[in-house]
Amino acid sequence: GENVEQHPSTLSVQEGDSAVIKCTYSDSASNYFPWYKQELGKGPQLIIDIRSNVGEKKDQRIAVTLNKTAKHFSLHITETQPEDSAVYFCAGDTGRRALTFGSGTRLQVQP
Amino acid sequence: DSGVTQTPKHLITATGQRVTLRCSPRSGDLSVYWYQQSLDQGLQFLIQYYNGEERAKGNILERFSAQQFPDLHSELNLSSLELGDSALYFCASSVGGVRDSPLHFGNGTRLTVT
Repeated sequence: GENVEQHPSTLSVQEGDSAVIKCTYSDSASNYFPWYKQELGKGPQLIIDIRSNVGEKKDQRIAVTLNKTAKHFSLHITETQPEDSAVYFCAGDTGRRALTFGSGTRLQVQP
Repeated sequence: DSGVTQTPKHLITATGQRVTLRCSPRSGDLSVYWYQQSLDQGLQFLIQYYNGEERAKGNILERFSAQQFPDLHSELNLSSLELGDSALYFCASSVGGVRDSPLHFGNGTRLTVT
């Protein structure tokens, strides 16, 4: 079945620096890869997604890259701000028609 | 606000009891997904319904069951509760399947089994 590995589990950066979170997946049939941000006491919120026919996608300070050959994808956050502090999850679609999530990265942006 | 409503927000109950969690999807969404989030397991997929029919099953225990009603709201029933069932339970909805449209999550129900 589908397995999604995510690292690092925690990441601390200074305000204004960039943050990169990486994920790998095992199911070569996967073609949809969303990223979610979860703040304390809330549900995961979709922040960006990418499909396998695209190598990179940007939305303001957030970008996602996908290497389908190597089966890995990454989230890049530039010019980090304190409000970016949260837990970030990567995910991939599976043959069971559901998303499989990575284990999460706790990002802390130090002011 | 994702538009997905989950009730109740918190639930405290004893081992052996049964509870029902409720989810109202976003307007227009036909798919409902249930996920369990615990500290050591991350977000685990339980079950998906599409327009009233079960579409996919994940790691859902036999003690757990779900259904989606004609008005598209969904309920997750947890019975013979054990301490290990304590977790956050999330509902998500989408227009179609996971490959067709993004999932939007509610804010969850926190279940504590004592």
